[in-house]
Amino acid sequence: QKEVEQNSGPLSVPEGAIASLNCTYSDRGSQSFFWYRQYSGKSPELIMSIYSNGDKEDGRFTAQLNKASQYVSLLIRDSQPSDSATYLCAVNGGSYIPTFGRGTSLIVHP
Amino acid sequence: DTAVSQTPKYLVTQMGNDKSIKCEQNLGHDTMYWYKQDSKKFLKIMFSYNNKELIINETVPNRFSPKSPDKAHLNLHINSLELGDSAVYFCASSQGQGRREQYFGPGTRLTVT
Repeated sequence: QKEVEQNSGPLSVPEGAIASLNCTYSDRGSQSFFWYRQYSGKSPELIMSIYSNGDKEDGRFTAQLNKASQYVSLLIRDSQPSDSATYLCAVNGGSYIPTFGRGTSLIVHP
Repeated sequence: DTAVSQTPKYLVTQMGNDKSIKCEQNLGHDTMYWYKQDSKKFLKIMFSYNNKELIINETVPNRFSPKSPDKAHLNLHINSLELGDSAVYFCASSQGQGRREQYFGPGTRLTVT
């Protein structure tokens, strides 16, 4: 059973701080890794994709991948109240079946 | 200009009824998916089609039957609805059979009474 684990939270950070979201996965054959943001009552929307080890930056967001440790993270710099949402980690394994974690709830308070 | 659309947005029905949800994408993607998100917000894949062919069929009751008339459309038909079928159903699409990011529709909230 391929698994993707996330801390359900909530993770509470003050406005302007760095929010760090973590995800581990069980399938060593995984090749594609994604972070989605889901506001309450809305559909998931893609924030970042990462395919190789290391860091990938896009604006205030940085995704980090470590395949040896089977670990992927998302850093949000200068967190804003509008970043308050559930963040879903998704992993596509060797069979290309996408598996989602249960999500981490992030609360950014003014 | 909606990329992935679903109809209806809300569906309230009684146990035992049969209902369908429709999905269309205009992104030119070759792969489409159905997901179920339960009350605990867990997003679980149900089916995936690549170029109209079923490629993923997770453990789902056979009361659920997907159908893809062409690669831009993926419908979901549910027979003999049960209380436990109440959830939000999301359609999504991607290019490259799951190797790339997915784009989600707005969801269909199904309530079975």
